[in-house]
Amino acid sequence: NAGVMQNPRHLVRRRGQEARLRCSPMKGHSHVYWYRQLPEEGLKFMVYLQKENIIDESGMPKERFSAEFPKEGPSILRIQQVVRGDSAAYFCASSPGSANEKLFFGSGTQLSVL
Amino acid sequence: TQLLEQSPQFLSIQEGENLTVYCNSSSVFSSLQWYRQEPGEGPVLLVTVVTGGEVKKLKRLTFQFGDARKDSSLHITAAQPGDTGLYLCAGNAGGTSYGKLTFGQGTILTVHP
Repeated sequence: NAGVMQNPRHLVRRRGQEARLRCSPMKGHSHVYWYRQLPEEGLKFMVYLQKENIIDESGMPKERFSAEFPKEGPSILRIQQVVRGDSAAYFCASSPGSANEKLFFGSGTQLSVL
Repeated sequence: TQLLEQSPQFLSIQEGENLTVYCNSSSVFSSLQWYRQEPGEGPVLLVTVVTGGEVKKLKRLTFQFGDARKDSSLHITAAQPGDTGLYLCAGNAGGTSYGKLTFGQGTILTVHP
């Protein structure tokens, strides 16, 4: 039973490029959360999605960042025109249902902006 | 904005010693979770505490939720080198975003043989 799959594991982008991070939740899970872990900081909530719906995006920067979880396929976190400050580990977590707080985290994508 | 202050930030001890990690907030949480994270990996859930005053044991690990649900502690008895890692506390404020957690800064534990 595969866990939460994130790819790529490592992503290098130059300033101004776009970064696309993918997350496939555990089988049977329809709730996806994205977190960011900046150097020397803790994990910060970014966005909560269900299939085809953004439920809570209160942690998302207002510009350049977007997320989706289509009916088919993985959840995507998209960062446009990346800057050096976007360099961080981005983690996806999934859960089986809205009333279940147990999160299963992926191994993360380490984004490095040159 | 809810904050969780975790202490100490670093802890270096010898095998066999006991240790306690603290997680404090001025806010009330509906539940609090403890995670362990290895380098290059995502956090793995250790325990969830829900009721004020609740105590849960996981082998040599004891987790406690404060009576007012504002603080929590993790106590490890007779630490072993395999306990080395990053320990994170995370609180859920309630509401409908059940997986929306506020994380502490983490405690990096090193247990020397």
